[in-house]
Amino acid sequence: KAGVTQTPRYLIKTRGQQVTLSCSPISGHRSVSWYQQTPGQGLQFLFEYFSETQRNKGNFPGRFSGRQFSNSRSEMNVSTLELGDSALYLCASSLAPTGAEQYFGPGTRLTVT
Amino acid sequence: DQQVKQNSPSLSVQEGRISILNCDYTNSMFDYFLWYKKYPAEGPTFLISISSIKDKNEDGRFTVFLNKSAKHLSLHIVPSQPGDSAVYFCAASAKRGGADGLTFGKGTHLIIQP
Repeated sequence: KAGVTQTPRYLIKTRGQQVTLSCSPISGHRSVSWYQQTPGQGLQFLFEYFSETQRNKGNFPGRFSGRQFSNSRSEMNVSTLELGDSALYLCASSLAPTGAEQYFGPGTRLTVT
Repeated sequence: DQQVKQNSPSLSVQEGRISILNCDYTNSMFDYFLWYKKYPAEGPTFLISISSIKDKNEDGRFTVFLNKSAKHLSLHIVPSQPGDSAVYFCAASAKRGGADGLTFGKGTHLIIQP
């Protein structure tokens, strides 16, 4: 069974721009969560989607948003990029909503200059 | 305020010996705990989990122990192998299947020495 895939793997953007990251979960998984990983803060929960509905959201500003499609694929959008948004963005999928074992993709490395 | 703490940023263990990685948590609502392993340039890989109704769970070379009264869990790897060198993250959830995201510790870099 194919794992979680994320595109693109690497991205360079400038301050003020917006970016969209994509995640395809493992086949049959309906829950998709997004995390931000930075050296200083570690892995931080952004939000979770299950059956196209956002179930929970972490402590991030409204510039961070997401959505999930009927095929469970998910996108994450960051508007008005700031230097501090440079991070590895990880997507994870699971069969059930949060709390079950989550399986991570390789991440998208975003660099904001 | 860190709710999940891994106080050892790194740990060096000789090949063949036991590796013990520790994790402490402060939120008494956490009732499901997971360990993930991460290699550079890859996403975390799920290793093993434990529910708060248990105090031990084993899977091959990996065993997780949970001490609820101390709010402490540990991951034992026996015997340690070179391929175990990675960063290990402890994670916790307030309710299995519930609406809270996983809360991660900052990780422990395990180095297995030949």
